[in-house]
Amino acid sequence: QVQLVESGGGVVQPGRSLRLSCAASGFSFSTYAMHWVRQAPGRGLEWVAFIWYDGSNKYYADSVKGRFTISRDNSKNTLFLQMNSLRAEDTAVYYCAGDPPSSGYALDYWGQGTLVTVSS
Amino acid sequence: QSVLTQPPSASGTPGQRVTISCSGSSSNIGSTTVNWYQQLPGTAPKLLIYGYNQRPSGVPDRFSGSKSGTSASLAISGLQSEDEADYYCAAWDDSLNGVVFGGGTKLTVL
Repeated sequence: QVQLVESGGGVVQPGRSLRLSCAASGFSFSTYAMHWVRQAPGRGLEWVAFIWYDGSNKYYADSVKGRFTISRDNSKNTLFLQMNSLRAEDTAVYYCAGDPPSSGYALDYWGQGTLVTVSS
Repeated sequence: QSVLTQPPSASGTPGQRVTISCSGSSSNIGSTTVNWYQQLPGTAPKLLIYGYNQRPSGVPDRFSGSKSGTSASLAISGLQSEDEADYYCAAWDDSLNGVVFGGGTKLTVL
């Protein structure tokens, strides 16, 4: 049974940092590219970042470039998102999602999401 | 302002066929395949259509996707009450070097 479980969300002050984790099980994590996608309250989906299956390439949305870092540990089947210099507009539910090989960036596995609230 | 443009809302009655459009450009829809996601209230998104009108296991064949030029469409036939959800299109964008989503369409089953 495929599972993606995000953790690390919470309330943080503007300018501070937070690290999200996503624990994967039930599929071959090391062969999947992985993404972070967020959804602000009452808003649509926004893609955040993407990392190749082996961690060799990473891509970011302009809104988080230079502040967020995506990484993975295939030995522990875990995906991370380091978020620095947080802003109020980063407040959202953050989902990790799995992207199988040759799928055309189709995100077929999703976690339940973790809420990040940036507020003073 | 989303890179891909969807109508904010759509509606239909049970049994009806509805379509949801998604408009993009040559750097996204015009050069790659479009994926569609369904998000039921209070839940995570779910992949509905990917590639060239492919459905993941468990997705009914009432759902289908198509693409022409820089636009794509999701069609739902035999509309059911459980189809009431938000629907998002998405594609890779070669200019932005990232995935772009549409703003989402809220489907109401009357």
